[in-house]
Amino acid sequence: EDQVTQSPEALRLQEGESSSLNCSYTVSGLRGLFWYRQDPGKGPEFLFTLYSAGEEKEKERLKATLTKKESFLHITAPKPEDSATYLCAAPNAGGTSYGKLTFGQGTILTVHP
Amino acid sequence: DGGITQSPKYLFRKEGQNVTLSCEQNLNHDAMYWYRQDPGQGLRLIYYSQIVNDFQKGDIAEGYSVSREKKESFPLTVTSAQKNPTAFYLCASSTRTSGNPDTQYFGPGTRLTVL
Repeated sequence: EDQVTQSPEALRLQEGESSSLNCSYTVSGLRGLFWYRQDPGKGPEFLFTLYSAGEEKEKERLKATLTKKESFLHITAPKPEDSATYLCAAPNAGGTSYGKLTFGQGTILTVHP
Repeated sequence: DGGITQSPKYLFRKEGQNVTLSCEQNLNHDAMYWYRQDPGQGLRLIYYSQIVNDFQKGDIAEGYSVSREKKESFPLTVTSAQKNPTAFYLCASSTRTSGNPDTQYFGPGTRLTVL
C-alpha cells in the first residue's frame, strides 16, 4: 500500500530560525512528489513538483529536494507569514490509478516573531 | 481569472438529508477530484473523473455520489448513507497527459457540518 509520512507533525520556529520538514514515502516506482501549502480554512496552494532524485526547486525562502526515499522542504530564515500547514503528496502507480495522489498528514509550521 | 470555485463555503445539513456541493473550473482541465479533509489527517480521495461522463471511486466513496456531465463541473452529493459527513471538502482539477503526473490545483473548499 502506498504511504506518505510527514515529520514532524508540528514545528515551532523563531523568526529567522531555519529548519527542514520531511516527507518519506513507500510509493513504488515514484513518478513525482508534490508540495502544497495550506492556510487555515483554505484549499491547498501548489508550491513545487519534483520528478526525479537529486532534483531541487526554490521559491523565496523555500527549497524542496528529493531523494529516492524522501523529500525535504527547507525553510531559510522564516517569517511569521510562512506559518501554515505544509502537505506533501505522491502519485499512485499508473494504470487505472493514474492521477491519484496519496497525501501525508501534513506538518503544521508556526513561526513566532 | 482562471480557477476553481466551490460553493457554498459553509453548509449545514440535518441528519437524513442529501446535500450537493458544487465545483466549477475554468482552467480547461480534463481531470477533476473530490477530497475530504478531517482534522489531523491528510486529504483522502472520494471520487475522481478523468474525462466527461466517466468517474472512478477513490478510497472513501461510500455514502457519496458524483456526476460529470460537463467538462467544467463535478458536483458531489453527500447522501444520508454517509455516517460521518462533517468535514472540509476540497475539489481539485488537473490536466491529463500521458507523461509525468500533472499538478492538481485546489478550490477554496466547502465546510459541511451535520446538525
